[in-house]
Amino acid sequence: DTGVSQDPRHKITKRGQNVTFRCDPISEHNRLYWYRQTLGQGPEFLTYFQNEAQLEKSRLLSDRFSAERPKGSFSTLEIQRTEQGDSAMYLCASSLAGQGVTPLHFGNGTRLTVT
Amino acid sequence: KQEVTQIPAALSVPEGENLVLNCSFTDSAIYNLQWFRQDPGKGLTSLLLIQSSQREQTSGRLNASLDKSSGRSTLYIAASQPGDSATYLCAVCPGNTPLVFGKGTRLSVIA
Repeated sequence: DTGVSQDPRHKITKRGQNVTFRCDPISEHNRLYWYRQTLGQGPEFLTYFQNEAQLEKSRLLSDRFSAERPKGSFSTLEIQRTEQGDSAMYLCASSLAGQGVTPLHFGNGTRLTVT
Repeated sequence: KQEVTQIPAALSVPEGENLVLNCSFTDSAIYNLQWFRQDPGKGLTSLLLIQSSQREQTSGRLNASLDKSSGRSTLYIAASQPGDSATYLCAVCPGNTPLVFGKGTRLSVIA
């Protein structure tokens, strides 16, 4: 168990560019979540997957955002035509859904700065 | 819509003090409640998970309680240490849906 890993740790991009982030969950976890966190706020839910199926998307997830988990393992989050308001920490978490409840395990996040 | 509030927003205490962090939520129909710790620039670390049927959970110097009927939870930290300095976040699970987080309490323990 190497934990949840996210790549890159930091990303600086110019407004209008596209960016893609990657998340590798804990290997046996079937649920994967994306959250966004801005300074002084708690994480806000964006979307989550159970295996490869995207089960829920927040209204925060505009049509410029898309997430995939093609084989039920790693996931990518893409933001198209970035805006300054997209600057935030993007957090990925995973858990095991099934019998009982397991806590969420978070990665260290990708900090996005849009200039 | 479930809302989670954490009081105080920030807290500074001398080393060795016992302290209590508060969390309240608006809808008592929750599946579980979790407390997390977040260090600056890092992700969240799960501290304690309390199922809706439980009243409290303990881990080392940490004790979390849950009162569903009043929509409240507390995190008690005994004999605080400078290494406890971090932001502590409370999150509720409304059901088979993702966690809803509070804004956190930023704790500073002064040596």
